[in-house]
Amino acid sequence: DAKTTQPTSMDCAEGRAANLPCNHSTISGNEYVYWYRQIHSQGPQYIIHGLKNNETNEMASLIITEDRKSSTLILPHATLRDTAVYYCIVRVGSRGRGSTLGRLYFGRGTQLTVWP
Amino acid sequence: NAGVTQTPKFRILKIGQSMTLQCAQDMNHNYMYWYRQDPGMGLKLIYYSVGAGITDKGEVPNGYNVSRSTTEDFPLRLELAAPSQTSVYFCASSYSPGGDLGSGNTIYFGEGSWLTVV
Repeated sequence: DAKTTQPTSMDCAEGRAANLPCNHSTISGNEYVYWYRQIHSQGPQYIIHGLKNNETNEMASLIITEDRKSSTLILPHATLRDTAVYYCIVRVGSRGRGSTLGRLYFGRGTQLTVWP
Repeated sequence: NAGVTQTPKFRILKIGQSMTLQCAQDMNHNYMYWYRQDPGMGLKLIYYSVGAGITDKGEVPNGYNVSRSTTEDFPLRLELAAPSQTSVYFCASSYSPGGDLGSGNTIYFGEGSWLTVV
């Protein structure tokens, strides 16, 4: 039950912006959108997250549509080291044991290949 | 600050053997998790813990057991190893003050433990 839909693969030229889309049409009001990436079967690495406002950090920008049914992760200047599988995840922010709190539901993600 | 540390990194087990995957974090995180990842697939949650003494099942708990006697450690036990448990196992942790995840806190992952059951 990944709750998100992402393209299987994308590619991008080095130095260009990589725009990774994600659909989460059933997202609830208290669910955050998270992005992680995984390089060569290493442990997943946190990139960014947001609830409804656009967010930016040193790694990427996250653009969430007004209806929150989709989002786009933007790597502004992709490098070869950004080649990885990118996971878009929705995560409940709720209190208490026994709920789905904290669970990250990973789908298969998007394989981003950055080429020279 | 080592983050999340998993041991061993690689292990081969025979069918029916038992073993424990160790996980430790030094960030004073209250939440800890175990995930498994099969080839070409995303991660699936096995068990998680919201604090010392409290554990709960995730999506795929069958064949595994966990304990959380301290804040720092969250070992995963395989009692009777089966070939279906061949996978990469990731431990993770996060901090949620008061158990409220509304702040959208980050989960930190270890580097993984590669387990093969033959």
